[in-house]
Amino acid sequence: GAVVSQHPSRVICKSGTSVKIECRSLDFQATTMFWYRQFPKQSLMLMATSNEGSKATYEQGVEKDKFLINHASLTLSTLTVTSAHPEDSSFYICSGRRDRASGELFFGEGSRLTVL
Amino acid sequence: SQKIEQNSEALNIQEGKTATLTCNYTNYSPAYLQWYRQDPGRGPVFLLLIRENEKEKRKERLKVTFDTTLKQSLFHITASQPADSATYLCALGGSSNTGKLIFGQGTTLQVKP
Repeated sequence: GAVVSQHPSRVICKSGTSVKIECRSLDFQATTMFWYRQFPKQSLMLMATSNEGSKATYEQGVEKDKFLINHASLTLSTLTVTSAHPEDSSFYICSGRRDRASGELFFGEGSRLTVL
Repeated sequence: SQKIEQNSEALNIQEGKTATLTCNYTNYSPAYLQWYRQDPGRGPVFLLLIRENEKEKRKERLKVTFDTTLKQSLFHITASQPADSATYLCALGGSSNTGKLIFGQGTTLQVKP
C-alpha cells in the first residue's frame, strides 16, 4: 500500500503556543488530503479537506482560523493548531487519496498533541 | 443526521473462531463502504471496500457483506488469530467522489489464544 508519513508523532506544548503537524505522501501524489481528529475510544472526526493549491474546506464547527491547513505541494499538507488550549489535546491523523476511482484512503501514523 | 453504529462493546473470541462485526447506518445512502483496522496509537489501515451494487467481498480470511436494504454491513474474520486483535472501523463514502468518509466509532476485537 501507499505510504503517508506524519510528523511529529507526539508533541507537548504550552497553552497559547502554536504547533505544526506535517503530512507527507511518500510514494504517491495526493491532490486531496484529509485531516481528522480522534478522542479516546471515539470515532475519527473529519476536520477538513485539504486540496493542493487551493484553500481547505472545513467541516461544520471547525474553526478555520484556529486550525490552519496548507497544501503547498502534491506530497505535503500541514496542519497548524494556533494558540493551542488544553481542549485541543487530541490525536490528529491525516490521510491521502492516491486514486480517485478506488476510494481507499492511506493514513498517516497520527500525531498525539498534548497541550499543558 | 447521518449516523453510523458499531458495537461499542469489545468482542472477545477464541482463536480459530470466526469473528463477526456489525456496522449499521441511518439517514445515509452510501455509494461504498470501507473497513479499516486501527491499532492503539496508530493510524487506520485500509482492509476492504465494497460498493453499493455489491453484496459480498472477500480478501483472504476477510469477508464483507453489504445490505443496502437493511443499511448494514457485516465484517467477518475467519480462523481468527491473536494478531487480529485490534479496533475495526467501518466508514461510509458518498457518490460525489470527494473522498470524504464518515467513520463509525469502531469495535475492539480481542482474540484469545
